[in-house]
Amino acid sequence: QQPVQSPQAVILREGEDAVINCSSSKALYSVHWYRQKHGEAPVFLMILLKGGEQKGHDKISASFNEKKQQSSLYLTASQLSYSGTYFCGTDFNTDKLIFGTGTRLQVFP
Amino acid sequence: EADIYQTPRYLVIGTGKKITLECSQTMGHDKMYWYQQDPGMELHLIHYSYGVNSTEKGDLSSESTVSRIRTEHFPLTLESARPSHTSQYLCACGTGLEQYFGPGTRLTVT
Repeated sequence: QQPVQSPQAVILREGEDAVINCSSSKALYSVHWYRQKHGEAPVFLMILLKGGEQKGHDKISASFNEKKQQSSLYLTASQLSYSGTYFCGTDFNTDKLIFGTGTRLQVFP
Repeated sequence: EADIYQTPRYLVIGTGKKITLECSQTMGHDKMYWYQQDPGMELHLIHYSYGVNSTEKGDLSSESTVSRIRTEHFPLTLESARPSHTSQYLCACGTGLEQYFGPGTRLTVT
């Protein structure tokens, strides 16, 4: 039931792009994306709703493919501040969030 | 400033002790959650509440209990701490669209 993320880890140089995928075996109604920096609490990035459009937040955007039951997070021209662990989450049409397995992203100068 | 608070931030305690982890929020949200997270691992929902006097168990079985007597307060209690309870506990509040996390309590049971 827990969404599966890929890859598990990504290492980038500043300015490079990355894609993080989130897949579910069950139908998705919404997909939430959070970033957690080392030693800190997770912070909300964006939510994609079923039937909604692709979202964007600065150089971070995401898409939601309901048919394939998956979402992708796109990080463009990565910055050092993008380092952290990214979690997708889904509520399966309830009010509780089930988080994915996480993707660790490290950006080096 | 509206925020969510957790105390203590760090706790080292011996086996068998009773502990309560505090979580308070001034954001006015009805929905509150407790997550357990081991270092570098995913977040597991252990308890949630939709409002006063409403509590439910999450997807990860936990020996802890919670209460929700006031909207702003959602404490988590372990009656008898064991080394297997060593972990980070994160409290969150929010709407169905977005959750705001507290700084967490890092618990070590010796």
